[in-house]
Amino acid sequence: GQQLNQSPQSMFIQEGEDVSMNCTSSSIFNTWLWYKQEPGEGPVLLIALYKAGELTSNGRLTAQFGITRKDSFLNISASIPSDVGIYFCAAISGAGSYQLTFGKGTKLSVIP
Amino acid sequence: EAGVAQSPRYKIIEKRQSVAFWCNPISGHATLYWYQQILGQGPKLLIQFQNNGVVDDSQLPKDRFSAERLKGVDSTLKIQPAKLEDSAVYLCASSLGPGDGEAFFGQGTRLTVV
Repeated sequence: GQQLNQSPQSMFIQEGEDVSMNCTSSSIFNTWLWYKQEPGEGPVLLIALYKAGELTSNGRLTAQFGITRKDSFLNISASIPSDVGIYFCAAISGAGSYQLTFGKGTKLSVIP
Repeated sequence: EAGVAQSPRYKIIEKRQSVAFWCNPISGHATLYWYQQILGQGPKLLIQFQNNGVVDDSQLPKDRFSAERLKGVDSTLKIQPAKLEDSAVYLCASSLGPGDGEAFFGQGTRLTVV
């Protein structure tokens, strides 16, 4: 099946620092998404990207759909304690099945 | 707008018992997904419905797992008989359509098999 390789697996950063994480695959996707999950909750959609090369922001979050359609990154600027959680990339191939595949997640810890 | 509703929130069963989970998607969402999330891992798709038809169930262990969405709205996921390795959070999500990436998730059901 299609796999998404997400890195880093975990990050410890100081409050106020910027964060960058990415997701790569050997497969081509038509849609890339970034979700955040907090303990005891389901994933919450942060940003959706529908076009290769697209750069989209949501407050302090910025994500890009890679030009090759095989990767995406998420940046968080000026991190705050409530950014703590697990961030997942997800992607849809669009090749008939429209299966929504998830990466393994990046666990973000913010030190006040 | 109400979100995706799931019940129960928690369930503890013994191995070889059966269990069922219920999901009510966002109103008007044609696509419904069931995911299994094992601790420390990303969600793994079990089955995807478009209205009341199955779009993808390639990763559903069909010898013990079954799911239905009879009227194209609510859905149930059943495990019979359960194994220890089925301990996980079972997440339901819905979206407007299959190509619509904006899937919204419920809080999940945490299953513990002892």
